[in-house]
Amino acid sequence: AQSVTQPDIHITVSEGASLELRCNYSYGATPYLFWYVQSPGQGLQLLLKYFSGDTLVQGIKGFEAEFKRSQSSFNLRKPSVHWSDAAEYFCGNDNFGNEKLTFGTGTRLTIIP
Amino acid sequence: DGGITQSPKYLFRKEGQNVTLSCEQNLNHDAMYWYRQDPGQGLRLIYYSQIVNDFQKGDIAEGYSVSREKKESFPLTVTSAQKNPTAFYLCASSGPEYEQYFGPGTRLTVT
Repeated sequence: AQSVTQPDIHITVSEGASLELRCNYSYGATPYLFWYVQSPGQGLQLLLKYFSGDTLVQGIKGFEAEFKRSQSSFNLRKPSVHWSDAAEYFCGNDNFGNEKLTFGTGTRLTIIP
Repeated sequence: DGGITQSPKYLFRKEGQNVTLSCEQNLNHDAMYWYRQDPGQGLRLIYYSQIVNDFQKGDIAEGYSVSREKKESFPLTVTSAQKNPTAFYLCASSGPEYEQYFGPGTRLTVT
């Protein structure tokens, strides 16, 4: 069965510092990969997605992610975080485009001044 | 504005009672989903529907039921058979490139 792993449960970053959140996926010749953000008590908002083509994808709020097939990874990055980026981040994979997303367990991001 | 609405935002029930959570979308999406979210466990799929009048069990369907009589609506019933129903429930629909759009969620507390 396919799975998505987010190795970091909680990350703390200083405001203005760079950020990288890790995501590894298993299984699948054709991963459809997504990153979502969730503020406390809210639904999930789509940050970006990858299906094919350029392996570096740009999203909203200044986020980007890079797909590396050789490492089965789809890490999320931001060059300079803002206090408003504090939230929980989820990586998801819809293998083969079967319209069923498998999510990682999430990474909680804390921003310190 | 297009989107997904879930109501109510907070719901309280006594143990042994069935409760129905509402989910409506005006995005004209065919596929809809229900997830359960518990702290530290990410999102777990309860049921999904890819077309009207058809739905499939997800990973944790026991104790839940759904219907899909209209494209716009996908209500979830949490039955008394669900052993641990207190959770945050999220509804989503799927767009043309398989991305899912989420509602604001319903927090259900059963005592």
